[in-house]
Amino acid sequence: DIQMTQSPSTLSASVGDRVTITCRASQSISSWLAWYQQKPGKAPKLLIYKASSLESGVPSRFSGSGSGTEFTLIISSLQPDDFATYYCQQYNSYPWTFGQGTKVEIK
Amino acid sequence: EVQLVESGGGLVQPGGSLRLSCAASGFTVSGDYMNWVRQAPGKGLEWVSIIYSDGRTYYADSVKGRFTISRDNSKNTLYLQMNSLRAEDTAMFYCARGYFNGLDVWGQGTTVTVSS
Repeated sequence: DIQMTQSPSTLSASVGDRVTITCRASQSISSWLAWYQQKPGKAPKLLIYKASSLESGVPSRFSGSGSGTEFTLIISSLQPDDFATYYCQQYNSYPWTFGQGTKVEIK
Repeated sequence: EVQLVESGGGLVQPGGSLRLSCAASGFTVSGDYMNWVRQAPGKGLEWVSIIYSDGRTYYADSVKGRFTISRDNSKNTLYLQMNSLRAEDTAMFYCARGYFNGLDVWGQGTTVTVSS
């Protein structure tokens, strides 16, 4: 199975900060990577697919990059609505796997 | 409006069975890739299974041989039959649409608790 490792596990930031979350795959997954945002008690929400494609309706402050084994989610200017947990997911091969999550907290 | 609504969760004893349902609206489950994803209390997301439009299915190793994904095209509904349930299957179960462009539509989830 492909292991997905996110860093950091927790991130404390302020409104307006630039936030970077990294996701590393244990083997190459090309660009078959998605990013999700999840708030407590809610279903995950798709932000980015194919490593860098922005899902319709998602604010442009979210961006994704990377290929192979190293991927990054950037929030260019953190907004109050962005405090949540973020997950990466590989869908290059079965079983699909998620990272352990990165919780973005208010500093 | 594109929507998924899960049902069928509940409390079940270890070794028992449960069938989850996911009713779709605004699109047809038979024409899309449909998934189940679960989340144990306080834990991360775990992909469980997928069914293709052509009927092919794939499973996580942790549920292979115990869970079966299926759909009823006439009801536009996705199912997850869960047998031989274990305490570690306790989770919120979400159905979700998608594959190549990520999982773009999610239901609200249904809770499964396996306990004696």
